Amino acid sequence: GAVVSQHPSRVICKSGTSVKIECRSLDFQATTMFWYRQFPKQSLMLMATSNEGSKATYEQGVEKDKFLINHASLTLSTLTVTSAHPEDSSFYICSARDIGAGQPQHFGDGTRLSIL
Amino acid sequence: GNSVTQMEGPVTLSEEAFLTINCTYTATGYPSLFWYVQYPGEGLQLLLKATKADDKGSNKGFEATYRKETTSFHLEKGSVQVSDSAVYFCALSDGEGGSYIPTFGRGTSLIVHP
Repeated sequence: GAVVSQHPSRVICKSGTSVKIECRSLDFQATTMFWYRQFPKQSLMLMATSNEGSKATYEQGVEKDKFLINHASLTLSTLTVTSAHPEDSSFYICSARDIGAGQPQHFGDGTRLSIL
Repeated sequence: GNSVTQMEGPVTLSEEAFLTINCTYTATGYPSLFWYVQYPGEGLQLLLKATKADDKGSNKGFEATYRKETTSFHLEKGSVQVSDSAVYFCALSDGEGGSYIPTFGRGTSLIVHP
């Protein structure tokens, strides 16, 4: 079945560091990938829609200069958290869907980001 | 806009009990409906789906029927196990704008005791 690989799974770094998270679709091409953020005991929150070959679409309240998204190919999207601070600590999940109506999202395993 | 409403948790059950997690939705089009499961420390996985009215999705003993008349997609399982303890998310995805952006419920935590 379709698989989405997300890397790294866990990051612990100092405040001010920039962190890059990769999301790859392994056996299908994804023109669109999604990035989510999940705080403990809260719902998944869509941050942005990553579009291959064009600029990402950010949800209201999400800083595009803070969360840089690049979708350079049909199988890879990256999220870079720039100059991360402790409040950026969260669980980040990407997803992608195969082409066609009714196709489900396939999720990466998530990245737990901890900023000290 | 679209929205998904799930019952609040946590839902606490004894092993072999019957499970129902309610989910209702609002959507302007004809969405596909999904249940996702998130086990502790892991990312989300698709549990089941239904793409049109009256479809029943099923997997691992879980079932949900797409009810257009009540705009609901309740998740059920006849006999839960300790290993079913997880957070369950109801979601919809429609073709509005061609983007199929998913809309998630808040998630319902299920705790199953031996």
